[in-house]
Parts: sequence; structure tokens; C-alpha cells
Amino acid sequence: EAGVAQSPRYKIIEKRQSVAFWCNPISGHATLYWYQQILGQGPKLLIQFQNNGVVDDSQLPKDRFSAERLKGVDSTLKIQPAKLEDSAVYLCASSPGPLGYTFGSGTRLTVV
Amino acid sequence: RKEVEQDPGPFNVPEGATVAFNCTYSNSASQSFFWYRQDCRKEPKLLMSVYSSGNEDGRFTAQLNRASQYISLLIRDSKLSDSATYLCVSRGNQGGKLIFGQGTELSVKP
Repeated sequence: EAGVAQSPRYKIIEKRQSVAFWCNPISGHATLYWYQQILGQGPKLLIQFQNNGVVDDSQLPKDRFSAERLKGVDSTLKIQPAKLEDSAVYLCASSPGPLGYTFGSGTRLTVV
Repeated sequence: RKEVEQDPGPFNVPEGATVAFNCTYSNSASQSFFWYRQDCRKEPKLLMSVYSSGNEDGRFTAQLNRASQYISLLIRDSKLSDSATYLCVSRGNQGGKLIFGQGTELSVKP
């Protein structure tokens, strides 16, 4: 079974620039999550999708972050404009239901 | 107050030592609990689920005390390969999102 695919693996941008991350979940997994992990901290949920609908985006900084999951499969997370404090690893995860959580290998973002 | 709190690290132990990690959670409605392991520059991976009855997987034992909202992980006979960050995790009964503690770094030395 193929895992959760994320790209790019690494990204370096200047502050105030825009960036987008892509995630392809495991086939058939209805639920998709985006987490932010700042160095030295545990992952923090940014947004959760159930198929193509948003279940929880309470911790998404909506003034600069946006995410979509068109057609209920792939998802894109965008930051515009980026700030220094957005430097982190962005992890995508998917699950078919209450169990079976799988993380992708993440995108490491550095904002300079 | 953070919803899941863990012992601060790092823990530096010799090979063969027994090491215990502690964790508390503040949301009494949390339904499920887990320990995840995260290697440097890698994604978190499920180590084991945690049950009130306690569960054991080889050298690893996890325990949940719902009354005191406390979770533990015990590693016996630690190996060099156990060096990683251990994340305590809770999950509610709605939505399925995972709430992570800040993680405790373990370094096992020869």
C-alpha cells in the first residue's frame, strides 16, 4: 500500500512570499489532516477534512493560511504571505476512520 | 495550560537502563491515548496504544490512569535504537484529531 505522499520535501522562501504544499493521501482514506510541527514541539492540527468538507479549522491562521481538498482526494495548503514564525515541518496525515492514522514524511519550510 | 503535557527532556540513559516517561492530559473527554515515536527529521509513527488495563509490547509497557488523567510509558533494557523523541497523544471522540504533547527526547548511550 502506498503511503501518504507530500511535496516538496524542503522549501526555503523569504518572508512575505507565498508557498504551497501538496498532499496525496492513501487511497480510500476519507479523512485528511494538516499538522504544523515547530522545532522542539509536538505537531499541532491546522485543518481536518472529511472527504472535501472541512471538519475542524479552528487553529488555522486564516488571515494567511488556506487549504483545500478538491474532489476529496489531494489537498493543498497555502501560506500567503509567509512570516518567520511559519518555519516548521508541515505534516499531512490520512485515516480511513477512527483508526489507522498514517503520516506523510512532511515538508520542511524555512522562512528567511 | 497545554492539553497534553509531558516530562521535559532530554533523558540520557545507558544501554540496558529502564526509563519511564510520564504524561498528563487536561481534557477528561479524551477517549483514546497513544505513544508515538519520532526519529530525527522523520514523521511520527505509532508506537503503541494505551489502555486502562495496561498493555505491553516486548520491552515497552504503557499505562493509563483515567482518574488522575495520567499516562505512562516504560522502556526496559533500553537499546541504542530506542533513541528518539517520544510523543504522548490523546484523541477525542469527535473528529479524530490527535493532540500531541511536546515530546520527550531519549538518548541511549553505549
